Amino acid sequence: GAGVSQSPRYKVAKRGQDVALRCDPISGHVSLFWYQQALGQGPEFLTYFQNEAQLDKSGLPSDRFFAERPEGSVSTLKIQRTQQEDSAVYLCASSQGAHTQYFGPGTRLTVL
Amino acid sequence: AQSVAQPEDQVNVAEGNPLTVKCTYSVSGNPYLFWYVQYPNRGLQFLLKYITGDNLVKGSYGFEAEFNKSQTSFHLKKPSALVSDSALYFCAVRPISSNTGKLIFGQGTTLQVKP
Repeated sequence: GAGVSQSPRYKVAKRGQDVALRCDPISGHVSLFWYQQALGQGPEFLTYFQNEAQLDKSGLPSDRFFAERPEGSVSTLKIQRTQQEDSAVYLCASSQGAHTQYFGPGTRLTVL
Repeated sequence: AQSVAQPEDQVNVAEGNPLTVKCTYSVSGNPYLFWYVQYPNRGLQFLLKYITGDNLVKGSYGFEAEFNKSQTSFHLKKPSALVSDSALYFCAVRPISSNTGKLIFGQGTTLQVKP
């Protein structure tokens, strides 16, 4: 079956621009996670949704980061006024229940 | 603070030889433990997990991992390495205290298998 998909795969933004990253989870998966992976590092948790409810946003690094999942399926991670330190790969994962998370291919964001 | 350590940035092994990629963790309680593999320009691919039960868990592509509670370790192993196993490997834990299921990842270990 189809896995987690993310778009765009690559995004180049000028500093100060707003960007929106999309995640399509595996159909029927209740839980959805966003992670940020800096170059040479392991992924770090950003935020978690259960259906449409954002239950944990403790990992969002600043109020410039915003995520939503209005209908409990597709999710969008928005970054306002991008900074160079936002350059990273943004990974989305979904799961059914509490255990295994399945990851998408990621969106590589480069802020110039 | 809760953390995961992968003490080796890179592991080199000859094809056909056994391999071990090390992982230790520092979290409260008995966490769920995972291994993921990442190929270039691709997302993380699930390999195996430990939730409860037998300390030796078997996963995809012939990989296995052994949970050692006293040493708080979850080392990844494979009896005979393949060149195609060359990739970046991540250990991750989900603390039991986490109601959201978020994972804490190690820094990753690059596995290089030489012919």
